[in-house]
Amino acid sequence: SQQGEEDPQALSIQEGENATMNCSYKTSINNLQWYRQNSGRGLVHLILIRSNEREKHSGRLRVTLDTSKKSSSLLITASRAADTASYFCATAPYGNNRLAFGKGNQVVVIP
Amino acid sequence: DGGITQSPKYLFRKEGQNVTLSCEQNLNHDAMYWYRQDPGQGLRLIYYSQIVNDFQKGDIAEGYSVSREKKESFPLTVTSAQKNPTAFYLCASSILGPRNTEAFFGQGTRLTVV
Repeated sequence: SQQGEEDPQALSIQEGENATMNCSYKTSINNLQWYRQNSGRGLVHLILIRSNEREKHSGRLRVTLDTSKKSSSLLITASRAADTASYFCATAPYGNNRLAFGKGNQVVVIP
Repeated sequence: DGGITQSPKYLFRKEGQNVTLSCEQNLNHDAMYWYRQDPGQGLRLIYYSQIVNDFQKGDIAEGYSVSREKKESFPLTVTSAQKNPTAFYLCASSILGPRNTEAFFGQGTRLTVV
């Protein structure tokens, strides 16, 4: 069953703007991960945040996790045309490695 | 180079045929996974394996079969029992441990029924 579920939206922004997308889940998790997928390609891991962490940064990426609300957000700052892709959150339960993916957010960055 | 390789990139299947999708990794990962991706539905888990000669069904295993005879290989067979096989199939691998880690994905196989 799907646990991670992003706000199902397509986001279109101008280069240089920030892009924010959200993810909600339903059960307890060990960690939450964000992945990126370029059209017709495999997924690439972006960032992992553990259940005892509230915020994490990696380059232009900022991820927050609110376990009380069972939600996470991914912020991409100063977007670039190369950031155009679909972004997926995935939740990992305790005890196994079965990642559950959401439906993804499509982001288009206009040069 | 270390990585995970899926082949072929495109595959066409006639009605009633079985087809096998290849997935090979040289990352020395114990765990391997198969996902199906349809437009607007994200990724759904078909099968996963945590050790050689052992695998478990995911959420949509009906009409699919797998084997794990070698640590490096996890082929997926789409059988004639799968009524709607047209989709994008993704293989992934990860290490196992008490603290879950990231999954590494192949580039996918696009299967089309003709």
